[in-house]
Amino acid sequence: GENVEQHPSTLSVQEGDSAVIKCTYSDSASNYFPWYKQELGKRPQLIIDIRSNVGEKKDQRIAVTLNKTAKHFSLHITETQPEDSAVYFCAATDRVTGTASKLTFGTGTRLQVTL
Amino acid sequence: DAMVIQNPRYQVTQFGKPVTLSCSQTLNHNVMYWYQQKSSQAPKLLFHYYDKDFNNEADTPDNFQSRRPNTSFCFLDIRSPGLGDAAMYLCATSRDKVGREQFFGPGTRLTVL
Repeated sequence: GENVEQHPSTLSVQEGDSAVIKCTYSDSASNYFPWYKQELGKRPQLIIDIRSNVGEKKDQRIAVTLNKTAKHFSLHITETQPEDSAVYFCAATDRVTGTASKLTFGTGTRLQVTL
Repeated sequence: DAMVIQNPRYQVTQFGKPVTLSCSQTLNHNVMYWYQQKSSQAPKLLFHYYDKDFNNEADTPDNFQSRRPNTSFCFLDIRSPGLGDAAMYLCATSRDKVGREQFFGPGTRLTVL
């Protein structure tokens, strides 16, 4: 099955700086890579996703890049704000095996944006 | 407008006392998932339904069972909760087989005394 590694586990940046979180995956057949933000005690919420036929996607201050050859993808947050503080999870889709596809999550990155 | 609803939000049970958590969705999605999330960890998939087809993860303990009586509802039954089962239980839905966004419910936090 799929294995997703995520780094760093914690990240502290000053407000206004950029934050980068990196993930690698093992299954070359994976084709969907979402990023979820989870605030303390709340549900994971999708913030951006990318499919394997695209190399980069941007939504305002958030961007994701995908390198299929190297099997890694990254989340970039620019002009960070205190409300960006949360735990971020990357994920990759396990191959479809005749049932629904499944997500394998990375271990999470706790982002702290300081004033 | 809640799309994935979980009840209760907080559940306290005693060691060994069966408990049922419920999930409902207004999205009419084919797929429903149950995850267990412990503190500071990623969500861990327990099982999922594609329509009525049940798919168990290989490492999900037998203590955990699920039912999906119709498209909208899915239940997680923990037959004999142990202290190690204390966690947040998240329900999620997605539209179809191909990799799609999963919509998460707010979760049920289970405490085992």
